[in-house]
This record gives sequence, structure tokens and C-alpha cells, in this order.
Amino acid sequence: DIQMTQSPSTLSASVGDRVTITCRARQSISSSLAWYQQKPGKAPKLLIYKASSLESGVPSRFSGSGSGTEFTLTISSLQPDDFATYYCQQYNSYSWTFGQGTKVEIK
Amino acid sequence: EVQLVESGGNLIQPGGSLRLSCAASGFTSDYYAMNWVRQAPGKGLEWVSVISGNGSYTDYADSVKGRFTISRDSSKNTLYLQMSSLRAEDTAVYYCAKLGGATVLSRADFWGQGTLVTVSS
Repeated sequence: DIQMTQSPSTLSASVGDRVTITCRARQSISSSLAWYQQKPGKAPKLLIYKASSLESGVPSRFSGSGSGTEFTLTISSLQPDDFATYYCQQYNSYSWTFGQGTKVEIK
Repeated sequence: EVQLVESGGNLIQPGGSLRLSCAASGFTSDYYAMNWVRQAPGKGLEWVSVISGNGSYTDYADSVKGRFTISRDSSKNTLYLQMSSLRAEDTAVYYCAKLGGATVLSRADFWGQGTLVTVSS
């Protein structure tokens, strides 16, 4: 299985801040990477796919970049609704793997 | 509107069996690949199993291989996960998720609300 490592595990930020989360794959996954947002008690929601494609309906303050083994999710101006846990996930191989998650907290 | 509604979660004793269902609507359910993903209490997401759009391909996480079986009934627009020889570590919320295409190598673009499976004596 392809191991995915996210950093940081927790991030404290204020409304309006620019936030960046990093995800690293143990081997190249091309651009087969998705980012999901999950709030407590709720199902994950797709934000970004193919590393940088914005899912329909997702605010443009979310963006993704990277290819190969290193990827980033950026929130350009953090909004109150964005405090949640974020997961990266690779779908380059038949066994999906997720990062361990990054919790974005209010500073 | 796409809807995925899971059911079948319950409290079950170790070694027992359980079948989860995921009723799909709002899309051509026999075209898209489907996944099961689980989340243990307070933990991250763990992929469990996948089935291709036509049902010809299935795959499982090593942690459930040989114990869980994924299937789909196109006539009922329903995805299933048959779980047997359940262990305490299978305790989790189980989500079904629709993939973005017929192939299993795709992102999950819609998730159900989840169903809780608790394995305990």
C-alpha cells in the first residue's frame, strides 16, 4: 500500500488566514490525489480531485497543487465554516490510502 | 439529487456477522464504481472495499480480506457489505461512497451519512 503522510496534524489559525496543508506520498502517485473536508459527526466532502481540480460547488478559496509525491491544499482566506479536519487520499493504486488528517482549529 | 443511505449497522458480538446496505438514488448506480470506507471512533478514514461499475472487479483492504464481501444489486440500486468473523477492531462508522467514474481508480465524489457498527460482547 502507498503510505500518505500529512502535516501538520493540527493547525491553529484565525479567520482570514492563509492556510497550507501538505501531503506526501511514499511513491509517485502522478496526480491521483483528492482532498476531503470532514466536520464532526458528518461524512467527508470532496474538495479537490486530480490534485488541483476544484469539485463543483466548492468555494474558490480552496486550491490544490502538486504531482508525484508532494501535494498541498491551500485555503486562501480561512472562513468560520472551514474549521474542520482535512484528509488527502491517493487513488493511483487499487488500494486507496488516506493521510492521517489535519485538524484546523480556531486560534 | 444524489443520495446514498446506509443501513444495517448494529451492536454485534465478536465472531458475528452483519450485512450493511447502501441505497442509491439520483444517478445511474450501475455505472459508477462504489466504495466502503470506515472510521473508528476518534480515528481517521480507512478504505475497506471497492466494486467496479459493472461488478466485475472487487478489492479489499488486507484488514478485512477473507471476512468481508462487497456486492451490488443493480435492480435495487443497492450496494452491500457482508461482514463476518467480526472483531472489536471492526467497530466504526461505515460510509458508502460513489466514485467519480466506472473505474475504481477515481475519487469519491459523494458519501452517505454512515452507519455505526459496534463489535462488543
